[in-house]
Amino acid sequence: GAVVSQHPSWVICKSGTSVKIECRSLDFQATTMFWYRQFPKQSLMLMATSNEGSKATYEQGVEKDKFLINHASLTLSTLTVTSAHPEDSSFYICSAPPFQGNNYGYTFGSGTRLTVV
Amino acid sequence: GNSVTQMEGPVTLSEEAFLTINCTYTATGYPSLFWYVQYPGEGLQLLLKATKADDKGSNKGFEATYRKETTSFHLEKGSVQVSDSAVYFCALIPESYGGATNKLIFGTGTLLAVQP
Repeated sequence: GAVVSQHPSWVICKSGTSVKIECRSLDFQATTMFWYRQFPKQSLMLMATSNEGSKATYEQGVEKDKFLINHASLTLSTLTVTSAHPEDSSFYICSAPPFQGNNYGYTFGSGTRLTVV
Repeated sequence: GNSVTQMEGPVTLSEEAFLTINCTYTATGYPSLFWYVQYPGEGLQLLLKATKADDKGSNKGFEATYRKETTSFHLEKGSVQVSDSAVYFCALIPESYGGATNKLIFGTGTLLAVQP
């Protein structure tokens, strides 16, 4: 079945540094990727939607310059947290929508736990 | 707006116990409803779904019925196993009115721990 590989699974970084998270579709082409963020005991919140070959669409309240999203190819989408601060510590997860017209077959990455110290 | 509310966890049960995880939603019209499961160290997987009122989704012994009158989609299983220990997310996709929308809206997730 469809697999989205997400790396790293966890990362610890210092304040002020940048962290890149990658999501690769392994056996299918993903022209769109959804990026979610989850705080402890809260819902997965949609941050942005990346589209291959065009600019990402950000949800209201999400800083575009803080969370850089790039969809470099049909199999790779990246999220870069720039100048990270402790409040950016969270669980980030990507998801590719169905690719065969089935409206329900979303494929999720395994998530990245970011801790900024 | 659209939202999903599910019971807080963790839910701790003994093996073979009956499971209920409550989920209610707020949305206009007829959204599609889902339960996703996340096992430790893995991505979310679709567990079951229902797309219209009174539909019952089922998979791996889990069931949930789309109740329009109570805007609910509670997850149930008659006899849980240790291997069911995971985080369960209730989610919806809003009904589309003339435009494409496929954004999943999630609840907070409920951790289920099943003890032998």
